[in-house]
Amino acid sequence: DGGITQSPKYLFRKEGQNVTLSCEQNLNHDAMYWYRQDPGQGLRLIYYSQIVNDFQKGDIAEGYSVSREKKESFPLTVTSAQKNPTAFYLCASSTASGVSYNEQFFGPGTRLTVL
Amino acid sequence: GIQVEQSPPDLILQEGANSTLRCNFSDSVNNLQWFHQNPWGQLINLFYIPSGTKQNGRLSATTVATERYSLLYISSSQTTDSGVYFCAVKSGNTPLVFGKGTRLSVIA
Repeated sequence: DGGITQSPKYLFRKEGQNVTLSCEQNLNHDAMYWYRQDPGQGLRLIYYSQIVNDFQKGDIAEGYSVSREKKESFPLTVTSAQKNPTAFYLCASSTASGVSYNEQFFGPGTRLTVL
Repeated sequence: GIQVEQSPPDLILQEGANSTLRCNFSDSVNNLQWFHQNPWGQLINLFYIPSGTKQNGRLSATTVATERYSLLYISSSQTTDSGVYFCAVKSGNTPLVFGKGTRLSVIA
């Protein structure tokens, strides 16, 4: 089955701990994205990557870090510097921006709760 | 950056009713997508529609790119249509920018 997987589905973290959220895709997409969603709100972009070994900050990158060592994988680390990390995190992927057909698809999400 | 406004913010329908959701955007776009977020949080792709009209069952969408708006039509609504509907647009090489969504509740 082609798609985007995120793990874990639920994650609990103590204050002061870093935690890494996994995102894997087998759609052969070049671009990958991380969004954050707070209750009753829309999606806000954290980081995105258009190609392996390159990534750009989105609107709310502070307190987060990413890596893109493989085309299929785009892990997100929520660091202790992120002041309000409790949220729903969504990973997405698409073909490269320069491609005319550029539909974006989403994984099922990870709910992070800081205790 | 590009701005996206969705209306109405909330909508309550009786089962079987029809509805129209609107998405206005502030600049020319090369991608416009409609999503349905189900109660479990999953974003489901409804339409990829930077211009023109598409239909999929009871749902259809129209984007008038020159006038910078898109409409999502839901006919004969069902309780399973409940959830949040998002419009998202892309301009140039920037990532998708999302509107705040329309929360739809369909009552039996």
